[in-house]
Order: sequence, then C-alpha cells, then structure tokens
Amino acid sequence: DTEVTQTPKHLVMGMTNKKSLKCEQHMGHRAMYWYKQKAKKPPELMFVYSYEKLSINESVPSRFSPECPNSSLLNLHLHALQPEDSALYLCASSQDGRWQYFGPGTRLTVT
Amino acid sequence: AQSVAQPEDQVKVAEGNPLTVKCTYSVSGNPYLFWYVQYPNRGLQFLLKYITGDNLVKGSYGFEAEFNKSQTSFHLKKPSALVSDSALYFCAVRDIKGLANYQLIWGAGTKVIIKP
Repeated sequence: DTEVTQTPKHLVMGMTNKKSLKCEQHMGHRAMYWYKQKAKKPPELMFVYSYEKLSINESVPSRFSPECPNSSLLNLHLHALQPEDSALYLCASSQDGRWQYFGPGTRLTVT
Repeated sequence: AQSVAQPEDQVKVAEGNPLTVKCTYSVSGNPYLFWYVQYPNRGLQFLLKYITGDNLVKGSYGFEAEFNKSQTSFHLKKPSALVSDSALYFCAVRDIKGLANYQLIWGAGTKVIIKP
C-alpha cells in the first residue's frame, strides 16, 4: 500500500469555526509533513513530524495546530482562520527522507 | 544555499512531439533530485528520482530524466507527449536537516500544455 489518504477532500469554513484535517498512511513511514499550496505555486512546508514528534515548524501561525496521535495519523486543527488561508493542504510521508509520497490534498475555503 | 530553478513558466508542444521540461539546481553536496507532477485539482504525484547511479533515470508514465553533474541539470523528458500529460511539473532537491526530516527545495513549477 503506497498511499497517503486525506480527509475531507473539500472543506468550507467560516472564520470562527474549528475544523480538522486528517491524514493517514500505512507504509510504516516515520516522517510526516503538512504543506500549504496556493494555485500554480510550489507547496510550502508547514510542519514536519519525525517519529511522532514535531521537528520542524516553519513559523506557521498558531491558528494552525498539528497533532500526530500515532505513527500512521497526522491531523491539522484549524481555528479562527483568515480568507488568505484558503488553499490546498497537502500531507506527505517519507521513510528515510529520500522522497515523499503525497496525499490528494484537502481543498480549504475560508469564508 | 540550496536552490532549484525551472526557467520556463510554460511549455507547449504538439501531441506526439518530444517534451522537455528544464530544471537546474544548486547544492553544496551530492544532490537528491525529484520530479513531481500535479494534474488539475489533484495532489502531487511522484514521477522519478535521482539518488545515485545511472545518470538516466526512468520513471512513471514514460518519463525519464537525465542527471548532468557538470551542468547541474536534471531535465525531464518524454519522447512522445500525450494530451493527458498536460499538467504542472515540479522539480525538487533534497535539503538535509536532521535525521529523517529531509526537506524538499522546490522549483517554481512549469505548466505543460500538450496540443492535440
């Protein structure tokens, strides 16, 4: 199974809502990543978890809160987002860092 | 600093013609290089990688890439393009920061349009 799954596929939320994005992989990968991607731009790294511990936080605003409950799951909790946070949010995983497998993404719209 | 450049914002070729998408890189050590493709409204799909070994790397969907150390390039190629190859292509190089936390440095992307 070489698949990274993400739910939901689409999410529309108001600026006062709280929601969560979910990511799952069953490849035994020890590193998991959250990216934000604007249209026609390369993905921007947000967070990296290595062995279930947060190892990189690329100065992401606190309205984004990552969580890694176990080695297969990665969540991104969203609260009080702004319209400019609307984007495609991608999850990826990697075994040894040599390359990353990406999920299909969650298309987020903040109204 | 490590960097990746994709000098063309857009590449247009006719179906059946060869396709080349250019990528050059700058790294301090040996590069790990990757190509990803993104179809409209989809996530990123891994196409191929260069880690070590043969300079010509074969990947998914009939794509290949040639690693050229002297020119610091890793151009993506397909001998005969299909309309379905129309997509956004990203080149990336690996940046090492700690164990198993390897970050990717991304090019800006090249939009490929294959005309019927």
